[in-house]
Amino acid sequence: DTGVSQDPRHKITKRGQNVTFRCDPISEHNRLYWYRQTLGQGPEFLTYFQNEAQLEKSRLLSDRFSAERPKGSFSTLEIQRTEQGDSAMYLCASSPTGTGGSGANVLTFGAGSRLTVL
Amino acid sequence: AQKITQTQPGMFVQEKEAVTLDCTYDTSDPSYGLFWYKQPSSGEMIFLIYQGSYDQQNATEGRYSLNFQKARKSANLVISASQLGDSAMYFCAMREGNTGNQFYFGTGTSLTVIP
Repeated sequence: DTGVSQDPRHKITKRGQNVTFRCDPISEHNRLYWYRQTLGQGPEFLTYFQNEAQLEKSRLLSDRFSAERPKGSFSTLEIQRTEQGDSAMYLCASSPTGTGGSGANVLTFGAGSRLTVL
Repeated sequence: AQKITQTQPGMFVQEKEAVTLDCTYDTSDPSYGLFWYKQPSSGEMIFLIYQGSYDQQNATEGRYSLNFQKARKSANLVISASQLGDSAMYFCAMREGNTGNQFYFGTGTSLTVIP
């Protein structure tokens, strides 16, 4: 396994268009997270899946954002009717389920998908 | 209130010297985990070190150590013998609860290693 993969790495789109990002987590990890990172800031939590169930969503995730994880494997994050404020790095991370210890809870991140909305 | 506070936007260190990056956290949960990540210019977040709230000893991983002061709610990262490749953004993060879902990140510290 080569880690968490994200595609595309870069996306430039015009305001109002829809975009979709894909994340392939580490295969044995059943937890998957989406974060957004803007310039000069730390990652901000968007949403979280345990297997195929979306268990938590941030208030940052407006109704223009939707995330899925069919069959508990890869995940997609779609942004509809993009706005310039959506320009950011979208990070995907995965982790195994565990009750403690560093190995059980460490997030492994992908390289991110950078979105530029013109 | 911010869950994680990193007060140093930028730090400089001479190559081969040690440097401390500050992190304070805020939680009322007795069980939590603290993490440090490195983000080079390529963008990928790289896990460095973890400290559990019940761990008695400070965590160490190679040249990285975590100075955990529970009463002060601080979890500073110490990098010894700095290398040019250590130049990057460094983020402190916290997970609340034993199996908490959300990880809270600070705003990061930009470290520059000077040859």
